Amino acid sequence: EPEVTQTPSHQVTQMGQEVILRCVPISNHLYFYWYRQILGQKVEFLVSFYNNEISEKSEIFDDQFSVERPDGSNFTLKIRSTKLEDSAMYFCARGDRLTYEQYFGPGTRLTVT
Amino acid sequence: QKEVEQDPGPLSVPEGAIVSLNCTYSNSAFQYFMWYRQYSRKGPELLMYTYSSGNKEDGRFTAQVDKSSKYISLFIRDSQPSDSATYLCAMTSSGAGSYQLTFGKGTKLSVIP
Repeated sequence: EPEVTQTPSHQVTQMGQEVILRCVPISNHLYFYWYRQILGQKVEFLVSFYNNEISEKSEIFDDQFSVERPDGSNFTLKIRSTKLEDSAMYFCARGDRLTYEQYFGPGTRLTVT
Repeated sequence: QKEVEQDPGPLSVPEGAIVSLNCTYSNSAFQYFMWYRQYSRKGPELLMYTYSSGNKEDGRFTAQVDKSSKYISLFIRDSQPSDSATYLCAMTSSGAGSYQLTFGKGTKLSVIP
């Protein structure tokens, strides 16, 4: 049983379009993360979200990216104007504050054409 | 120097063999170490979490940490075809703010029946 679910499982979009990727935690947690994995590459940290605020972001997470928790439950990653190089798997993870373990969702495969 | 180095393989072993997977790291601040299993185009699945130097065992899996050498290992005993996957090491430190994970590139393992 996944700790978090993600929708959609696969998103195809044209370059320049906006996309919203969604993460739904199974239960109420405070720590969330977004990571991405370009095909054949490492899993890379994008942003962390604690108590409804960004706590840290990587160099990858530029002005084209944003995160929200609009309804206190769903957790979204928005890419405003997609580029070809944004094609990747995007993973949401929830964190355990006491043990630092992170549990990943199944991912959204984003294809930018 | 890369923060986390992991031999990408591929590694092919016969069923029943003992598998040894390894990562080295350069950042001495890393204190928390995780091993994930990832099937193709799926989310990473947490297998093992360790904090201190030494061994931790869970069923057929043993995680080993040597902080003095900045070296971690995952051993799989009695390997099964279902163990065929990519194994990712990941680590974080208490000084990493939000405890974001730094990953190795992953080792692709095939267990041949």
